[in-house]
Amino acid sequence: SQQGEEDPQALSIQEGENATMNCSYKTSINNLQWYRQNSGRGLVHLILIRSNEREKHSGRLRVTLDTSKKSSSLLITASRAADTASYFCATDPIRSYGKLTFGQGTILTVHP
Amino acid sequence: EAGVVQSPRYKIIEKKQPVAFWCNPISGHNTLYWYLQNLGQGPELLIRYENEEAVDDSQLPKDRFSAERLKGVDSTLKIQPAELGDSAVYLCASSPLRPEPGQSYNEQFFGPGTRLTVL
Repeated sequence: SQQGEEDPQALSIQEGENATMNCSYKTSINNLQWYRQNSGRGLVHLILIRSNEREKHSGRLRVTLDTSKKSSSLLITASRAADTASYFCATDPIRSYGKLTFGQGTILTVHP
Repeated sequence: EAGVVQSPRYKIIEKKQPVAFWCNPISGHNTLYWYLQNLGQGPELLIRYENEEAVDDSQLPKDRFSAERLKGVDSTLKIQPAELGDSAVYLCASSPLRPEPGQSYNEQFFGPGTRLTVL
């Protein structure tokens, strides 16, 4: 079963625009991670935010975490065509003994 | 630094045939994972190894799937016999030494996956 639900399922924007993806989950977590997957490739880790953090930045990425609402968002600023990929949130639930649970992903298309 | 290596990248077999996938994790990573990813879905964990010990295989269909990690480095995942519904991408990932206190996981490093098609 997949704990995370992502919204939207697909997002299409123009180069230069910002892209926001949301992730909701059901149980308390140790941390939440975001991964990117280009077509036909493996997943690449983007950023990890711990349960006691509310916001984190990495380059053009901004991640927020609201544990009271059990939700997270990933913002990609000034998007580029190379950002076209699927984006997955993955939760590390408390007492999961290390089992990372992925959402079904958001497909982002950035048009040049 | 080399990433996680998987082979083969693609495999097409007929149903009821056996198939095996191989994974070489990043050097020094003692935790290794096998995931299954269906089209349009996120990865789902099949089995997790800490060194050579399978510490979580609760999602592995043991009637037809098996895995091993001899010497705590490379790993193989086998399906015998394969069924039509096994068509998917099989991903291997690894992560480094034990996480920080209070945390379960650091980031995981994924290989490119093996795309299996069962006809």
